[in-house]
Amino acid sequence: GAVVSQHPSRVICKSGTSVKIECRSLDFQATTMFWYRQFPKQSLMLMATSNEGSKATYEQGVEKDKFLINHASLTLSTLTVTSAHPEDSSFYICSAQGGQSTDTQYFGPGTRLTVL
Amino acid sequence: GQQLNQSPQSMFIQEGEDVSMNCTSSSIFNTWLWYKQDPGEGPVLLIALYKAGELTSNGRLTAQFGITRKDSFLNISASIPSDVGIYFCAGRSGGYGNKLVFGAGTILRVKS
Repeated sequence: GAVVSQHPSRVICKSGTSVKIECRSLDFQATTMFWYRQFPKQSLMLMATSNEGSKATYEQGVEKDKFLINHASLTLSTLTVTSAHPEDSSFYICSAQGGQSTDTQYFGPGTRLTVL
Repeated sequence: GQQLNQSPQSMFIQEGEDVSMNCTSSSIFNTWLWYKQDPGEGPVLLIALYKAGELTSNGRLTAQFGITRKDSFLNISASIPSDVGIYFCAGRSGGYGNKLVFGAGTILRVKS
């Protein structure tokens, strides 16, 4: 149980284009999903928290107009990197959490974004 | 803001040895989690701790939620080559909707 998938696993795009990353909870309903960014040899940096049906809460310093998050259902959240630039190249990881007080975060396998 | 100090930063040990790593916090947490991350993959949950003083095992792994609620340790017994990876501790201070605070990670390398 508690499987989270991400798609795509890798994406290469040209500078200026937008990229959408999907995060799905496969065997449970995720009331909350989190999006992280990870640079090489560093820890996970939380970008935003999203609850199903409501606007995402962004961490300080994260541009909400650049990183669009949609959590339209209890099993799907999407992160769209708009007008991507080379500095947006990174490893993006989502996590999903159910609605119980003891539920914890289960992570997806990550998406490697390379912007040329 | 909340910070987690995770140590050691890296370890290079002989296969069969036991491993110990820990995290300390400047503030109290209600939940402690330990994750392992392989290169190019997302973190995988190893152990979740919800009560102060709780000691939980998962195979060769044992983790404890410190009695002060400001620290946690993870032990790995009889290490094997597949234990190689980065281990992260994470703490949560509020309810289930609250975000996790992550440690910087411990890089584990095993000599066979």
